[in-house]
Amino acid sequence: QQQVKQSPQSLIVQKGGISIINCAYENTAFDYFPWYQQFPGKGPALLIAIRPDVSEKKEGRFTISFNKSAKQFSLHIMDSQPGDSATYFCAAKDSNYQLIWGAGTKLIIKP
Amino acid sequence: GAGVSQSPSNKVTEKGKDVELRCDPISGHTALYWYRQSLGQGLEFLIYFQGNSAPDKSGLPSDRFSAERTGGSVSTLTIQRTQQEDSAVYLCASSPRLKSLLAGGNNEQFFGPGTRLTVL
Repeated sequence: QQQVKQSPQSLIVQKGGISIINCAYENTAFDYFPWYQQFPGKGPALLIAIRPDVSEKKEGRFTISFNKSAKQFSLHIMDSQPGDSATYFCAAKDSNYQLIWGAGTKLIIKP
Repeated sequence: GAGVSQSPSNKVTEKGKDVELRCDPISGHTALYWYRQSLGQGLEFLIYFQGNSAPDKSGLPSDRFSAERTGGSVSTLTIQRTQQEDSAVYLCASSPRLKSLLAGGNNEQFFGPGTRLTVL
């Protein structure tokens, strides 16, 4: 009930391509869905987030698509660049203001 | 302004020794979290402090792990009698005062760079 399932575990995309990472959840009480980006040797940092009352949020090349009925949300990175190579975590906020984390996706953008 | 800082950045210890890891959160942040991240893995929640409330210790893997937060600011994670499986990066994060959704609150967590613990 409290899990957030993230896929794929790793992803290789050519420069200029679209990177897509998916997450699914069960708990309908989750009310905030962020994505965090982590570079090697650093802590994760908030990249983009969405609330369940909207279906899409776009910030530059990064877009979250949210499907409330399917309890799924995804991160799309358009025109992927080598500098986007990082590990991406999805998360969901529960009623106790805690974040429930996905397992992470290691993204590699090939030049 | 200053972000979350952690010390030491690296710690190598021998099996059976005790270690203390320190976290300095962003000033004014009331919430503080500790996570463990094994090599190439996700974030494993350990403990959560929120203001003066009793901490949520539900993620601590054994009684060898404990944490304190003094004066609502600095936190120390202590691992007693370290084992090789404790080797990981220990991340600390802090969050601002809780706000309701109506007030535009979320739960952005600001992470420190982590402490890499190696138990030989």
